[in-house]
Amino acid sequence: DTEVTQTPKHLVMGMTNKKSLKCEQHMGHRAMYWYKQKAKKPPELMFVYSYEKLSINESVPSRFSPECPNSSLLNLHLHALQPEDSALYLCASSQPLGTRRIYTFGSGTRLTVV
Amino acid sequence: DQQVKQNSPSLSVQEGRISILNCDYTNSMFDYFLWYKKYPAEGPTFLISISSIKDKNEDGRFTVFLNKSAKHLSLHIVPSQPGDSAVYFCAAYLSSGSARQLTFGSGTQLTVLP
Repeated sequence: DTEVTQTPKHLVMGMTNKKSLKCEQHMGHRAMYWYKQKAKKPPELMFVYSYEKLSINESVPSRFSPECPNSSLLNLHLHALQPEDSALYLCASSQPLGTRRIYTFGSGTRLTVV
Repeated sequence: DQQVKQNSPSLSVQEGRISILNCDYTNSMFDYFLWYKKYPAEGPTFLISISSIKDKNEDGRFTVFLNKSAKHLSLHIVPSQPGDSAVYFCAAYLSSGSARQLTFGSGTQLTVLP
């Protein structure tokens, strides 16, 4: 299995809703990431989990709350989002250290906040 | 400070011809480079990588060249096919660094004309 699976593929939510994005990988990767991507821009790092511990939070607002229940799963809990948070949210995984790290991305969740 | 730059936002080539996508970097500590291909509303797909100890890596129609003295890499696609039309991102990291350090360029939209 060489894939990162993200669900749902599309999500429309109101500004008062609470929702969660899910990510799963079975490649044995011990680092998992959340990225945000706006149209015509490169992916922007949000969070890094290394060995199931949050190691990087790139000053992301608290309305985004990551969770890593185990080495294969990564969630992103969303609450009270703003319309400007509408974007493609990408999950990725890799080995956490060392050379020849290949970062494998999921196909993303297209989030629209209304 | 943009450490990885793709100065051409777009490139059009005729089917069957060579596509050359360029990438420059400023951080001489980067020692591993990757190219990703991205279709709209999908996650980036890994294409090919190169370590700084090499100057060329080939995989089928895709070849990446690295010129360390010029801090420049390029992706050659030969022959180009209409299905290659996508946004191509160059990315780099420091293998001794933490998992956060995957730095993306801004992307080049490749259009292959039939």
